[in-house]
Amino acid sequence: AQSVTQLDSHVSVSEGTPVLLRCNYSSSYSPSLFWYVQHPNKGLQLLLKYTSAATLVKGINGFEAEFKKSETSFHLTKPSAHMSDAAEYFCVVIRQGNLIFGKGTKLSVKP
Amino acid sequence: EAGVAQSPRYKIIEKRQSVAFWCNPISGHATLYWYQQILGQGPKLLIQFQNNGVVDDSQLPKDRFSAERLKGVDSTLKIQPAKLEDSAVYLCASSLLYPGMNTEAFFGQGTRLTVV
Repeated sequence: AQSVTQLDSHVSVSEGTPVLLRCNYSSSYSPSLFWYVQHPNKGLQLLLKYTSAATLVKGINGFEAEFKKSETSFHLTKPSAHMSDAAEYFCVVIRQGNLIFGKGTKLSVKP
Repeated sequence: EAGVAQSPRYKIIEKRQSVAFWCNPISGHATLYWYQQILGQGPKLLIQFQNNGVVDDSQLPKDRFSAERLKGVDSTLKIQPAKLEDSAVYLCASSLLYPGMNTEAFFGQGTRLTVV
């Protein structure tokens, strides 16, 4: 069955440095994968999605993710972190029409 | 375009009491989801509706949880009686398309339930 594993529960970076949030997936076929962001006391917001088109997916706020079938990975990156990026990030896979969430990675950004 | 509306935003109840949450999805969205998000964890699906029919309720604790979506629009989720472990944020989401490879779901802000 399709599932995702987020490899880090907490990532801390300095403002202006690159961000890498790691996600591995498990699927018997080409999956649909998403990254959602959750700011404190706010709803979940879609950052980007992969649906079997281009393997490099660009999202909002400068984030992007690359689908790598050989590594079963869908890592989220951003070249330069901003203080406003501090939030919880969830990697998500579709299974039977439902969104299956990873456990989340909390991103902290230091000034 | 209005988003997914949920109410109340916060609720505190004693264990064994009952509570209900309400969700108004985005207009025209056929699919509606209820998720439970316990602190420090990712959201877990409780129930999925397609119009007013249940598609998946396999993870809904049916001895105490119930949900309905009358007329295929608004939905309510009820807990009766509540337990301490039900303390969580309850998220409602909706999507336009029938569940499939290109489903994009939009989430409400959630209801934070505290059971004391």
